[in-house]
Order: sequence, then structure tokens, then C-alpha cells
Amino acid sequence: LAKTTQPISMDSYEGQEVNITCSHNNIATNDYITWYQQFPSQGPRFIIQGYKTKVTNEVASLFIPADRKSSTLSLPRVSLSDTAVYYCLVVNSWGKLQFGSGTQVVVTP
Amino acid sequence: EAQVTQNPRYLITVTGKKLTVTCSQNMNHEYMSWYRQDPGLGLRQIYYSMNVEVTDKGDVPEGYKVSRKEKRNFPLILESPSPNQTSLYFCASATGSSYNEQFFGPGTRLTVL
Repeated sequence: LAKTTQPISMDSYEGQEVNITCSHNNIATNDYITWYQQFPSQGPRFIIQGYKTKVTNEVASLFIPADRKSSTLSLPRVSLSDTAVYYCLVVNSWGKLQFGSGTQVVVTP
Repeated sequence: EAQVTQNPRYLITVTGKKLTVTCSQNMNHEYMSWYRQDPGLGLRQIYYSMNVEVTDKGDVPEGYKVSRKEKRNFPLILESPSPNQTSLYFCASATGSSYNEQFFGPGTRLTVL
């Protein structure tokens, strides 16, 4: 499985856009990129997934360049409730997930 | 309500006393998995199951057993718990066509003395 690298922490103010970049240099052809959010003492929650280019849903956008060696999760206009740990995962077709250390995002007023 | 349930939510036990943590999902998902979460180590996969009677090791399977006799249930068994298995455990499930989108349970906090 491809190893992922992402920043340990990021700080933001309410209303700003937060962009978290994840590096996955050894991503395989059939791997997908997936992002999860986790609040303290809760299970992770799926946010978004993509294979290439751009994916957008009601919560976030995911940008993946052509070489797929990195990806960027974009959270528009964050609020205090977006304070959480965000995990970038590279997922293959075998069902084996590997969570990294995640990025702690702290949103302040 | 679609959900993954785990029992118990909290458990304190002693070394060597066999225990089972149950996991059940009501979404008819083929895929189920167990993770443990420890400070500084993030979430690590213990075992996963692609379907009934099909299980496979994750990254940290030592000291754990699982079984998948029914689609909805995926119990985690610790035959002889040790203090290094003190952790927060999560069960998750997903459809067979999208392992990426996993639904997680509320977690079980286990302390082994």
C-alpha cells in the first residue's frame, strides 16, 4: 500500500478555506484516494474520494493532479465544528485500509 | 437508522481473561473491519472480512481472532488479553463495491490490567 504524508496540524479562522495536501508518491494504478474526518472519541467519517482530477461534494473538494502523487482536500468556509483530525488514505481493491497520522485542523473564531 | 453498533462501549478486564467485543451492522454490507487506535499511532487495521466466512489479516492481527459466520456480525475475540491491547477499538462496514467509504461504529474503550 502506498504510504501517505500529510502535515501534522493546521490552524485556520472561521470562514476561511482550508487546504490539506497529502503526498502519496507510490500510489498504484488501481488505488483510490480517500479522506476521512474524525472527532475526539468518535469513529472516522468518510468525507470524499477520488481517482483523478477534481471531485466535489456538499462537504469538500478533492484535487488530484495528473501524476496522482499528491492530492489536496479543500474545506470551504470552515466553521468551529470543522475542528477535527483529517486522514488521507490510499485504498486498493483488496479492502485493506492504512490510516496515517492525520492532520489536526483547529478552527478558531 | 443505518448504523454500526459495538458492545460493550467500555470494558475493564484483567490479563488473560478471554473477551469478545461484538460488532453488528444493519446495512447489509459485505465488508467489515476492525481497527485499534492508540495515541501517536493512529488507526491500525486488525482484521477485515470481504464477506461471510472470508477474513484476512490487517496490519496488527497478533493476539486477536475474528469470525464472520453471518453477514451482519463480526466479533473481535481476545483469547488472552494483555496490557498492550489496551486501546480504543472501532468496527467498520462497507458495501462490497466501495471499500473506500466505510461506516464506523462508536468505538469500544478497552483497558487490560
